[in-house]
Amino acid sequence: DTGVSQDPRHKITKRGQNVTFRCDPISEHNRLYWYRQTLGQGPEFLTYFQNEAQLEKSRLLSDRFSAERPKGSFSTLEIQRTEQGDSAMYLCASSFRQGGTLNTEAFFGQGTRLTVV
Amino acid sequence: RKEVEQDPGPFNVPEGATVAFNCTYSNSASQSFFWYRQDCRKEPKLLMSVYSSGNEDGRFTAQLNRASQYISLLIRDSKLSDSATYLCVVILRMDSSYKLIFGSGTRLLVRP
Repeated sequence: DTGVSQDPRHKITKRGQNVTFRCDPISEHNRLYWYRQTLGQGPEFLTYFQNEAQLEKSRLLSDRFSAERPKGSFSTLEIQRTEQGDSAMYLCASSFRQGGTLNTEAFFGQGTRLTVV
Repeated sequence: RKEVEQDPGPFNVPEGATVAFNCTYSNSASQSFFWYRQDCRKEPKLLMSVYSSGNEDGRFTAQLNRASQYISLLIRDSKLSDSATYLCVVILRMDSSYKLIFGSGTRLLVRP
């Protein structure tokens, strides 16, 4: 399967624990995004990488959230001291930027569903 | 005000009906536009890009009105399999930033 893959698919954790999610984008995609989605809402932008550089971070992302993409390939999203409000689907997407092209499709992984109890 | 707004629906239509969704965006710097489809508990998938001149893909037609800052999606001859949530997506590019902004989605239910 050469699509975007996310691991784990599901995570149940106790409040206060730290969790880390992994995203493997489509090979050679230089852009990688993290989104959060709750029931009945569209995906909310969290952060964006171009290669290994994190170019933007949403104000939604408190200092408990951190994302990395150390080698410009896979990415991790860590949530420290989880709260019940962090329960959501965390989606990763990737796309390829070539020159000034803007209309590039973003491909999504199947997401990691986090439940904080 | 949300950056991208959609009527949440649900739109409940019979098979064969024509249905249209609108989406408005607030930032005039928005540069590219898409419709994504999301099935229940699945990831979003690209349905179609939206071009300034409007574009059609089979039963689906997308239109863009930059002056009024809205985009639309028309589905003709609805099928049961069209039941899903349709997400309006805007690409906002500012400086080195490039991000896809999603609407909350419009839910479509096609009944037999």
